[in-house]
Amino acid sequence: KAGVTQTPRYLIKTRGQQVTLSCSPISGHRSVSWYQQTPGQGLQFLFEYFSETQRNKGNFPGRFSGRQFSNSRSEMNVSTLELGDSALYLCASSLRTGSDSPLHFGNGTRLTVT
Amino acid sequence: GENVEQHPSTLSVQEGDSAVIKCTYSDSASNYFPWYKQELGKGPQLIIDIRSNVGEKKDQRIAVTLNKTAKHFSLHITETQPEDSAVYFCAASPNTNAGKSTFGDGTTLTVKP
Repeated sequence: KAGVTQTPRYLIKTRGQQVTLSCSPISGHRSVSWYQQTPGQGLQFLFEYFSETQRNKGNFPGRFSGRQFSNSRSEMNVSTLELGDSALYLCASSLRTGSDSPLHFGNGTRLTVT
Repeated sequence: GENVEQHPSTLSVQEGDSAVIKCTYSDSASNYFPWYKQELGKGPQLIIDIRSNVGEKKDQRIAVTLNKTAKHFSLHITETQPEDSAVYFCAASPNTNAGKSTFGDGTTLTVKP
């Protein structure tokens, strides 16, 4: 079974631009979560989607948004990029929402903002 | 909200020795505690997890223990091998939502041949 696929692997953007990252979950998984990983802040929860609905949101500004499509694929968007948005963005999928459904992570999208 | 502290931040052991990584959490509502291994250039991979109704779980050379009263849990790796070298993360998750996990800051484990 194919794992979680994130595209692109690398992105370089300029301050003020916007960016869209894509995540294809494992086949059959209906829940997708997004995390930001930085050396200083570690892994921080952004949001979670289940059946096209946002279930939870972390403590990030409104510039960070996401959505999920009917085939469970998900995208996250960051508008008005800031230098501090440079990070590894990780997507994780699980069969369903709930603590008995482990997360499966993709290899991430490395975003660099200059 | 939940706060997870992880120690040590770096750990170096000789091949064949054991390694122990400890985490504490703050929210008594958390009841799912996974451990992840992250290798360079890759996303975290689940290596073992434990739920609050279990005190210990073992999978070959890896074991996790949980003390709900003290709100701490630990990862034990025995007979370490160079391929165990990686960054390890603990996490805690509330009853309803593994997707919203709070992670520790990670432990960089180096196993010297």
